[in-house]
This record gives sequence, structure tokens and C-alpha cells, in this order.
Amino acid sequence: DAKTTQPTSMDCAEGRAANLPCNHSTISGNEYVYWYRQIHSQGPQYIIHGLKNNETNEMASLIITEDRKSSTLILPHATLRDTAVYYCIVRVGNNAGNMLTFGGGTRLMVKP
Amino acid sequence: ETGVTQSPTHLIKTRGQQVTLRCSSQSGHNTVSWYQQALGQGPQFIFQYYREEENGRGNFPPRFSGLQFPNYSSELNVNALELDDSALYLCASSLQATSGRRDTQYFGPGTRLTVL
Repeated sequence: DAKTTQPTSMDCAEGRAANLPCNHSTISGNEYVYWYRQIHSQGPQYIIHGLKNNETNEMASLIITEDRKSSTLILPHATLRDTAVYYCIVRVGNNAGNMLTFGGGTRLMVKP
Repeated sequence: ETGVTQSPTHLIKTRGQQVTLRCSSQSGHNTVSWYQQALGQGPQFIFQYYREEENGRGNFPPRFSGLQFPNYSSELNVNALELDDSALYLCASSLQATSGRRDTQYFGPGTRLTVL
């Protein structure tokens, strides 16, 4: 699976949009981009995933560049409860083993 | 719909002992994956079970073993515990279709294991 690069940490003001970038320049054509987040000492929570088109759900939006080498997770109106480590992961949809390879993630701090 | 559950929540063991952790998958899911998360690091893949057989393994020694039961629940067993085994152990369930397509993994809350 392709490696991802994310900033170590970011701050965001409560009520503002949080834009979390992820670089995945070696992504292959059949690899999906997944986002999870982990609030302190809890299990990772699935947020959203996509292949090439932008995606939106009740939690967030995922914007993938046309060349698919980077993406941005957008939390439109961040709240204090969105403070967490956000992981960007790329993986093949049908790979053997189906493991998720977590990097260091981005620690998002939402401030009042 | 029931989410992924794990037991126990916390566990303390001493070096050399054996431990069994349990996971119940989300309803409708047939695949279980186990991850180890050391303090301050991202989760690391241990192994995955599908149809009661190991279906992929990460870089963990054989003293880490598992089982999957007909109801798709799973156990993680660790023998000869070492201090470095202290971690949060996470279980994730997903659905693998007969076509081979694998869907999103959903995680449980984890079991915090402390080895003294």
C-alpha cells in the first residue's frame, strides 16, 4: 500500500472549517484513500473514503486532487469534540490481508 | 445494528503469563482484524481472520495467535508476555464479499493490556 505524509499537528478555531491535508504521491490506480480519527484512548473511528471523486457524508468531505497524489479532509464546522488524531490511509480494495497501515497521523486541536 | 465490542476493557498481567482478548464483530460482518497500538504510535496490524482461518499477518511473532468462531467473533492469544506487549489491542470487523471485495473496517474500543 502507498505511503502517506501528513502534518504532525494542526490547530483550528471552534466553528471554523478544519482542512487536513494528506500527500500520497505514490498511490496506485486501484488504491482508495481512507480517513479515520482516534480520540484519546478510544478505537479509531471511520470517517470517509474515496477513490477519485470527491465524497461527502454527515461527518466530513473528502477532496481528492485530479492526479490523486493528495487529498484534503474537511470538517466544515469543527467542534471541541473533533479534537483527535486523524489518520490518512491508502489501501487497495481487494488486496490480500486487507491490513490498514497507519502512519503518525495529524493531531488536530480544536480551540475555543 | 450492534457495533464491534471487545472484552475486557483493561487487563494487567505479569511477564511470562498468557492472555486472551475477545472481540465480537459488528452484525453482518465476517472478517476480523487485530491491531496493536503502543503508546504514542499508530495501530500496527497483527493478523486477520476470515472464515475461521488466518488471512494475512503482520510482523508479529508466533506467540501471537488467534481464532475466529462460526459466529465470526474472535480471540487474540498472546503467550509468554513481554513488557513490550503493553499496548492497546484493537479489533476491527469488516465484510468480505464472495467476490473478494473487502469493505471498510470498523474498530472496537480496544483492550488496554499492561504487562508488569
